[in-house]
This record gives sequence, structure tokens and C-alpha cells, in this order.
Amino acid sequence: EEQLLESGGGLVQSGGSLRLSCAASGFSFKSYAMTWGRQAPGKGLEWVSCISGDSDGSYYADSVKGRFTISRDNSKNTLYLQMNSLRGEDTAVYFCARNSGSLREISFDIWGQGTVVTISS
Amino acid sequence: QSVLTQPPSVSAAPGQKVTISCSGSSSNIENNYVSWYQQLPGTAPKLLIYENNKRPSGIPDRFSGSKSGTSATLGITGLQTGDEADYYCGTWDSSLSVGMFGGGTKLTVL
Repeated sequence: EEQLLESGGGLVQSGGSLRLSCAASGFSFKSYAMTWGRQAPGKGLEWVSCISGDSDGSYYADSVKGRFTISRDNSKNTLYLQMNSLRGEDTAVYFCARNSGSLREISFDIWGQGTVVTISS
Repeated sequence: QSVLTQPPSVSAAPGQKVTISCSGSSSNIENNYVSWYQQLPGTAPKLLIYENNKRPSGIPDRFSGSKSGTSATLGITGLQTGDEADYYCGTWDSSLSVGMFGGGTKLTVL
């Protein structure tokens, strides 16, 4: 079964850092671009960042550019999101998702269950 | 405020049809594929439509997608109470080089 499993969420103070992980199984991880998205409490979905299968390309939402870094380790079938200089508005459930199409195509056919990030002041 | 505009809510009776619109611009919807997602409370989103009008395997043909110019539409026929959920459109913006989702539409099946 094709699956994604996020981990690494938690409670951190404003200005702090967290690294999220997304473990993939059941498919050829290196063959797919991957994406991080998030959903603040009671709010809609927000696209955060994406990375190509070979890590050759990546993109970021303006709200996280310069603070978050997406990366992947294809030998470990794992996607990462390094989050620095965290702010209250970063509080959300963070999802990883598989791009069923190209890097610059929004088409996510597999989603993880999400990991909760809470930023305290 | 989302660049892609969806109605906050829609409603219809069981068995009826509903459409959900997603309005954007030439830099996003008009020149990129649109996808649609269903999110039930407390769960991850689920892909319903990709490449404007294609359904993944396992998605019933009650769900359909279309696109014209800078707008896209999700249609749901034969509404069931289990269809009550939030629905999101998504696309790429070629000018901003970012992905984006609409603000979401809550479907109520009366």
C-alpha cells in the first residue's frame, strides 16, 4: 500500500525551529515530486513548498520563503521540512503529499495524515 | 485571502446536483491544470479531479470537473449525505511560481 507518514510536529516557542519528516512507503519515492501543505485551525489548505524527485528544483510560498527549507533523502524514502524562525501564524497541521504530475502541477494523489505544529508566544 | 475564489458554502438536497466554482486568472487557472479535493472533518484531503477533468481510479462518475478560461467548476450529481465535506480547488501560478488552493467550499446536503 502506498503511504505517507509525517512526524516531528510539536509545541515550540516563537522564534524556534522544528524539522518535520515524511516517510514514504509502497512506491518508488525518487520518481515523484513531493509537496508540503498546511492547514491552520479552522482555516483552508495552504500550499507551502515542493521539491522535484532528484532535488534539482524546489519552490516556496512567500509566507515561508527564507525561513523553511524542503529537502529529501531518496535513500531513506523520506521528505523533510526544516522550519526556522517560527511564528504564531505557522501554527497548523502540516501534510506531505505526492505529486501525481510534474513539479509545477498541483495534483496530489497521496496524502499523509498530518502532524500538528503549535507555536507559542 | 486566496487568489483562487470559491463560494464559502453551497447546499442541496439528497439526490440533487451541485456545482462549485473556482475563479482565478490567466497566470493560474487559464494556463495550468486544476485539481479538486474533498476533505471530510478531521481527515486529510482526497483527490477527486486532476488535470481539469480526470478522475482517479475509485472516484465515482458522480464527480466531474471542467474548466473554461480563468474559471473551473466541480460538479457533483446524485448528492449523498456522505458528500458533506469541504471542497478545494488547486492549481499552479506561473507568474508567482507557487502552488495555490482556493479558500474552500463547505457542502451541506440538506
